[in-house]
Amino acid sequence: EAQVTQNPRYLITVTGKKLTVTCSQNMNHEYMSWYRQDPGLGLRQIYYSMNVEVTDKGDVPEGYKVSRKEKRNFPLILESPSPNQTSLYFCASRTGRTNSPLHFGNGTRLTVT
Amino acid sequence: AQKITQTQPGMFVQEKEAVTLDCTYDTSDQSYGLFWYKQPSSGEMIFLIYQGSYDEQNATEGRYSLNFQKARKSANLVISASQLGDSAMYFCAMREGIGTSGTYKYIFGTGTRLKVLA
Repeated sequence: EAQVTQNPRYLITVTGKKLTVTCSQNMNHEYMSWYRQDPGLGLRQIYYSMNVEVTDKGDVPEGYKVSRKEKRNFPLILESPSPNQTSLYFCASRTGRTNSPLHFGNGTRLTVT
Repeated sequence: AQKITQTQPGMFVQEKEAVTLDCTYDTSDQSYGLFWYKQPSSGEMIFLIYQGSYDEQNATEGRYSLNFQKARKSANLVISASQLGDSAMYFCAMREGIGTSGTYKYIFGTGTRLKVLA
């Protein structure tokens, strides 16, 4: 089944403890990206990547890192999480065609205390 | 400046009626794409419909159609014959220009929560 898989689905952590949210897609998509969803703010793009070793900042990159060492994986790294990073996170991917829609993972709900 | 505006935080519609969800956008790019996504209470994001900036015809997908008015920079979603299962949050999104890496950014609106009444 074609899908974007995020793990974990739920994560509770403490301020300053490094964490990684994994994202993997099995559709051979070139483009992958991360978003956070907050009430009243919609989804905001954190980082995106057109292909292996090519990443760029979205609108809210502060406090996040990403890497794209393989085409299928695009992990989101929070080196020192803070409570304001408590949010619902989505990973998404799409083909190289610009009219291709984003395929989303099921989301990761992160709570930082 | 907000680039995607959804002015209706919440809407109600009677089952079997049609409903229009508003979306206006702001961009200086000539080439862009507009998308609508549905997010049911279970949380997943479901793609509904796409309109390219150069598409002359309004996009349609089953009961969904996109009323694209380029000069007014609006891309309203029309859902015909509403069903109870249409109750969800709906997001308008825009794929805009090329970033420094030659890739594209996506911008989402704040969403409209639609409730279909039996």
